[in-house]
Amino acid sequence: DVKVTQSSRYLVKRTGEKVFLECVQDMDHENMFWYRQDPGLGLRLIYFSYDVKMKEKGDIPEGYSVSREKKERFSLILESASTNQTSMYLCASSLGRATSGANVLTFGAGSRLTVL
Amino acid sequence: DQQVKQNSPSLSVQEGRISILNCDYTNSMFDYFLWYKKYPAEGPTFLISISSIKDKNEDGRFTVFLNKSAKHLSLHIVPSQPGDSAVYFCAAGRYALNFGKGTSLLVTP
Repeated sequence: DVKVTQSSRYLVKRTGEKVFLECVQDMDHENMFWYRQDPGLGLRLIYFSYDVKMKEKGDIPEGYSVSREKKERFSLILESASTNQTSMYLCASSLGRATSGANVLTFGAGSRLTVL
Repeated sequence: DQQVKQNSPSLSVQEGRISILNCDYTNSMFDYFLWYKKYPAEGPTFLISISSIKDKNEDGRFTVFLNKSAKHLSLHIVPSQPGDSAVYFCAAGRYALNFGKGTSLLVTP
């Protein structure tokens, strides 16, 4: 089974701090994604990556950046955390760009970030 | 603007009855549709999918129906069980998936 591991389940940070959320997948998937989940808003795509060193903005990239130096690792960076970035962050990966099965995302367990 | 809509934030069903969760999408280019289930404090898990070349896909108690002309899909759970109580997300797309806001299903004994 594909495993997507998010390094931190719970984090508490202060406003203005730099925050790193790490995600590693172990099945050689091409694509990796960062979503955030908020009550009443569902899952919203922050950034995604189809290849190493490649990144694409999702629906809500403001205030975030990402890094994909290795295929298996996709990091989400909050340069200067703000209280409105308090959320559940979900990393996901999928096999490839083709349709019909390749778009199934496997999610990590999530990282609950609280910014005070 | 949201491209995938789940207009019912919550649904309550008695154990043993059918649960029907609905989803609408706006982009006719979407060709792959999925349902995910999420328990609190866990990541979403894949439940069932359907491609645009089909109108029905079945997996045990779960069936997904796709009506392309109406840009509508639904998830049927029969019979519903208390362990099915969770938030269900509909997702659709071509490469990157777009998610709905979720429907919280409560199955009561």
